[in-house]
Amino acid sequence: QKEVEQNSGPLSVPEGAIASLNCTYSDRVSQSFFWYRQYSGKSPELIMSIYSNGDKEDGRFTAQLNKASQYVSLLIRDSQPSDSATYLCAVSSGGYQKVTFGTGTKLQVIP
Amino acid sequence: DGGITQSPKYLFRKEGQNVTLSCEQNLNHDAMYWYRQDPGQGLRLIYYSQIVNDFQKGDIAEGYSVSREKKESFPLTVTSAQKNPTAFYLCASRRQGSYGYTFGSGTRLTVV
Repeated sequence: QKEVEQNSGPLSVPEGAIASLNCTYSDRVSQSFFWYRQYSGKSPELIMSIYSNGDKEDGRFTAQLNKASQYVSLLIRDSQPSDSATYLCAVSSGGYQKVTFGTGTKLQVIP
Repeated sequence: DGGITQSPKYLFRKEGQNVTLSCEQNLNHDAMYWYRQDPGQGLRLIYYSQIVNDFQKGDIAEGYSVSREKKESFPLTVTSAQKNPTAFYLCASRRQGSYGYTFGSGTRLTVV
């Protein structure tokens, strides 16, 4: 069983719609959860961190965490073509413990 | 501006050669990491270091070596023992506490 699972996609949404990206993880002691955006041929860029159950909003992005269900999601409101990228979910048990990445979901925003 | 610098951006290696990938950070981060990314496989951890002069193997350390003589620098050597080295290599650093990584721009290594 993979430690961090994501649907590889592609997930296609029309411009202006809400994109919903999902991630599940297997390690119950995980404490820190991250979403990275990676454009083709580029390195990942951290866009959201979340540490406690509930929602965290930052501009058009909302991260949602449910530790009981071991589930993390990222919502992108008013999706733009520039949001087209691969989104990596990452999980850590804290401190300097390694961060484990999912394989990523490719998002395509259609103009 | 603070950040992580990886060099070179592209690297070509002949079979049987060792090559060293450079990673330098000026973020004053204690921990540094090397990941490898292959298509469809996500990021896999090669080595990581939490303090100077100390480092640990990650999930796929075979055929690789590292050193951490300075806080700012964490070079990765891809040895001839690595059978399939063609990949995108990413260096990252992290500040103390439960924070996310900052990544360098990556080095794309190709065996010719």
